[in-house]
Amino acid sequence: EADIYQTPRYLVIGTGKKITLECSQTMGHDKMYWYQQDPGMELHLIHYSYGVNSTEKGDLSSESTVSRIRTEHFPLTLESARPSHTSQYLCASSDQGPTYEQYFGPGTRLTVT
Amino acid sequence: AQKITQTQPGMFVQEKEAVTLDCTYDTSDPSYGLFWYKQPSSGEMIFLIYQGSYDQQNATEGRYSLNFQKARKSANLVISASQLGDSAMYFCAMREDLNDYKLSFGAGTTVTVRA
Repeated sequence: EADIYQTPRYLVIGTGKKITLECSQTMGHDKMYWYQQDPGMELHLIHYSYGVNSTEKGDLSSESTVSRIRTEHFPLTLESARPSHTSQYLCASSDQGPTYEQYFGPGTRLTVT
Repeated sequence: AQKITQTQPGMFVQEKEAVTLDCTYDTSDPSYGLFWYKQPSSGEMIFLIYQGSYDQQNATEGRYSLNFQKARKSANLVISASQLGDSAMYFCAMREDLNDYKLSFGAGTTVTVRA
């Protein structure tokens, strides 16, 4: 059973606010990921990290930023939320193998009004 | 170019019957991995099954099996004996270059199981 947590599960916030989406895992996985998913659509990788103090941008350009100060924690921050940021954000982590399958958190559904 | 193509946006299946979900992929890497995930309406992603490009046999996990046709670059998921709880969105994903860990996802197929 994978243990990866995301808070909040749902967030409705006004334009211009700063928000941080939390993601934590208790499995000691080095690799962590953030995906953005519009309803009924595919997942797009926006950030990933292969270890502490290592972060990279994903395939989809995003105005969000991430940090990885501790192995278990990979928060995503939006400095100034806009309606275009309305989406579901999924956090995942993967271990050393052999398949490196990714374990996903429950997601955060963000609505910016 | 799209790396993962899922051409069936939605499918209906009768309870207890089998359903096949199509997935084709595009890569020039000789080493890659293919995954299927299930996403219920609650939103979480659940890992179902994995097939490595060098695996000689098709992967199976309980009622899930993967019909891997390497020459056709096809990795179809077969769900046998469908249950009402199988109603969900199903995503095919690929990890290219087994030294990388990122996944590329297809657009997904919605499966609705009818009683």
